[in-house]
Amino acid sequence: AQSVTQLGSHVSVSEGALVLLRCNYSSSVPPYLFWYVQYPNQGLQLLLKYTSAATLVKGINGFEAEFKKSETSFHLTKPSAHMSDAAEYFCAVRAPGGGGFKTIFGAGTRLFVKA
Amino acid sequence: KAGVTQTPRYLIKTRGQQVTLSCSPISGHRSVSWYQQTPGQGLQFLFEYFSETQRNKGNFPGRFSGRQFSNSRSEMNVSTLELGDSALYLCASSLGQENEKLFFGSGTQLSVL
Repeated sequence: AQSVTQLGSHVSVSEGALVLLRCNYSSSVPPYLFWYVQYPNQGLQLLLKYTSAATLVKGINGFEAEFKKSETSFHLTKPSAHMSDAAEYFCAVRAPGGGGFKTIFGAGTRLFVKA
Repeated sequence: KAGVTQTPRYLIKTRGQQVTLSCSPISGHRSVSWYQQTPGQGLQFLFEYFSETQRNKGNFPGRFSGRQFSNSRSEMNVSTLELGDSALYLCASSLGQENEKLFFGSGTQLSVL
């Protein structure tokens, strides 16, 4: 069965520092992987998704993620953190089932950005 | 194009009561998924409806049920509420295709007292 594991429920970085949020997946088939962000009191919105066209995926707000099949990882990075990046981030995999598809989320990583 | 709309935004209920939550998907989207979000648990998949049929179901007790109407609007019902049902319930819509993102509503915050 497909699943995702996010390492670290909380990550704290200084403004301007590198952001690295870790995600490992388990999938018996080529995975469809996503990163979503959730700001306080809001639903989730897509940051980026892996489409198999390229292993390095660029998303919104300067985030990117690299798909590494050998490591079964899809870590999210941003070169320079901004205060507005403080939010909760979810890695997700889209899995077939029931004749359709369902999206399975990791437990989430809350990002804190210090001034 | 209007986004995913969930009503009500907040609900307070007492144990033993039942509750119905509503979700209107983006126009043209036929798939509606429901998730329960609690601190530390992430998003737990409840079920997915596509063209009025439940296509996928998570590991929740039978007290949690749902349905989808012909206009793709969906409702979720929780009967005999328990304190542990307090959570943010999120609805997401999509076309139901393979490598596709979900569009989320802002959620219904349910508090069970």
